[in-house]
Amino acid sequence: GESVGLHLPTLSVQEGDNSIINCAYSNSASDYFIWYKQESGKGPQFIIDIRSNMDKRQGQRVTVLLNKTVKHLSLQIAATQPGDSAVYFCAENPGGYNKLIFGAGTRLAVHP
Amino acid sequence: DTAVSQTPKYLVTQMGNDKSIKCEQNLGHDTMYWYKQDSKKFLKIMFSYNNKELIINETVPNRFSPKSPDKAHLNLHINSLELGDSAVYFCASSPSFGRDEDTQYFGPGTRLTVL
Repeated sequence: GESVGLHLPTLSVQEGDNSIINCAYSNSASDYFIWYKQESGKGPQFIIDIRSNMDKRQGQRVTVLLNKTVKHLSLQIAATQPGDSAVYFCAENPGGYNKLIFGAGTRLAVHP
Repeated sequence: DTAVSQTPKYLVTQMGNDKSIKCEQNLGHDTMYWYKQDSKKFLKIMFSYNNKELIINETVPNRFSPKSPDKAHLNLHINSLELGDSAVYFCASSPSFGRDEDTQYFGPGTRLTVL
């Protein structure tokens, strides 16, 4: 099995519960934010994004909230399923040539 | 159909060797990227090309040289491989790098192990 990433913060939830994953970003100039999901052995998969002129955006079972005052981003997953188990990354784009800056990642573990 | 593909998926090699990783995207995007993910899962951008032109070049040793033969391909060549180069390398692409065209889509990764 994969041994990397064991020191990532982990959020453990029961199947069917709602999950909230938090992220603090660093650059006040960032105007675009993305959440990615990375399953074991795969590349980051786009989930949802939000621009700085919004504070909330909803997708299918996912909601992203942006609080620019405290530079905080969160991802809410409704009715969490075993297939949601993965490492979740937030990323910010401070502008310029689309150089994404990634957060450290949070591992989501969903238990039956 | 695979949108962003990389070859090889695994690469095991000796220190000092030279190796290449290939990336192709069939999304019609103008901009491509290389990222490195270390053992702690930290993802960091290395390079970005827009329409075959280098636009981002982070502080990366000059042993790493990207090559973009056309806008659908961005290859990464690494000379004189070192132990610290062991990581997973991801290619990504976006429609462009301007606002509203900047969502990046990632390939499956290449796990490089240097012995």
